[in-house]
Amino acid sequence: DAGVIQSPRHEVTEMGQEVTLRCKPISGHDYLFWYRQTMMRGLELLIYFNNNVPIDDSGMPEDRFSAKMPNASFSTLKIQPSEPRDSAVYFCASSYTGSGNTIYFGEGSWLTVV
Amino acid sequence: AQSVTQLGSHVSVSEGALVLLRCNYSSSVPPYLFWYVQYPNQGLQLLLKYTSAATLVKGINGFEAEFKKSETSFHLTKPSAHMSDAAEYFCAVSPTGNQFYFGTGTSLTVIP
Repeated sequence: DAGVIQSPRHEVTEMGQEVTLRCKPISGHDYLFWYRQTMMRGLELLIYFNNNVPIDDSGMPEDRFSAKMPNASFSTLKIQPSEPRDSAVYFCASSYTGSGNTIYFGEGSWLTVV
Repeated sequence: AQSVTQLGSHVSVSEGALVLLRCNYSSSVPPYLFWYVQYPNQGLQLLLKYTSAATLVKGINGFEAEFKKSETSFHLTKPSAHMSDAAEYFCAVSPTGNQFYFGTGTSLTVIP
């Protein structure tokens, strides 16, 4: 089975540019999560969806961040405009009701904003 | 409120020695508890989970964890450390539904 697939794996962009991170959850999973990992803050939940509907976006740091899930197999996390402090690893994860509350992580998107 | 506290952000052990990584949780309801491992430049992988069955949970790579309700703890152990165990370890709690709360992680170094 394919796991959670994220793209790009690495991105370097200039401050002010728009960044779009993509995620394909595991087929059949009805929950999707976006996390951000930094040395300073550790692993932070940004937003999560259930059946493509955003349930809790309280972790989204500010209006520059937005996330969408147009269908069950695709989600995006967008940062516009990007800032150097957005540099982090962004993880997408998915789970399904009845999985014993286990979530499965992608390999992460490593973002550097210069 | 749900939270997880991992004591010790860095732990070093000699190869072959006991590994003990500490995790304490707070939860208003009996929780699901997890340990995840993150190897360098990779995502988090499930090591083991507790779902209110046996209090001693065995995971992959020889790791196990014991749920102790009286101590609100879920410490991770391995009898004999291997060089390949060097990684970041995260404890997580999920009270109900699909909300997860992760600890700040413990970096394990194995000294040859």
